[in-house]
Amino acid sequence: NAGVTQTPKFQVLKTGQSMTLQCAQDMNHNSMYWYRQDPGMGLRLIYYSASEGTTDKGEVPNGYNVSRLNKREFSLRLESAAPSQTSVYFCASSVGVRGNQPQHFGDGTRLSIL
Amino acid sequence: DQQVKQNSPSLSVQEGRISILNCDYTNSMFDYFLWYKKYPAEGPTFLISISSIKDKNEDGRFTVFLNKSAKHLSLHIVPSQPGDSAVYFCAASKSNSGYALNFGKGTSLLVTP
Repeated sequence: NAGVTQTPKFQVLKTGQSMTLQCAQDMNHNSMYWYRQDPGMGLRLIYYSASEGTTDKGEVPNGYNVSRLNKREFSLRLESAAPSQTSVYFCASSVGVRGNQPQHFGDGTRLSIL
Repeated sequence: DQQVKQNSPSLSVQEGRISILNCDYTNSMFDYFLWYKKYPAEGPTFLISISSIKDKNEDGRFTVFLNKSAKHLSLHIVPSQPGDSAVYFCAASKSNSGYALNFGKGTSLLVTP
């Protein structure tokens, strides 16, 4: 029972390089999310997809793009990586976007940008 | 602005005793609250939640209390076990926009034998 799977687990990039973080869930959830967590901070929402075919900006969307490839997969792309994007990125999914539908998280991608 | 605050960065408790983790929020529109537990190098795991129509929710050793007038919630773990050692995040949302989870910065709990 994999739940939410993120790849890769670690990545080091140079400033200006591009990268796509992959996320897949096997829980038949409708909604998916991308967060970042910086040291000493809570998680902050980058983008979310309430249902297949839709995506919306979260709290910190600048410098990122997303694609909801199908119901299972939601990718996050950094077109031109910057050192400020060094962070741990978490993908999550939920049945829907109501408050009583908890989000379930993957184990994260640790991204360093030099 | 941080709308969900966990003012204690860390907490140490002896095995078998009660752990109490606190969380305050500023937005009175929040009506759904969740606690997540996070081990190093893993993602947050959903632990327990509470709706604003309740003031208590219990699940085994974990109980969440909500005081709406004080905009305060707490997570009680009784009895505490070494395996409970982790970072605990409080999160809040409006029930009609649950995608917008507002997280606190977390409290690191250490349960010592």
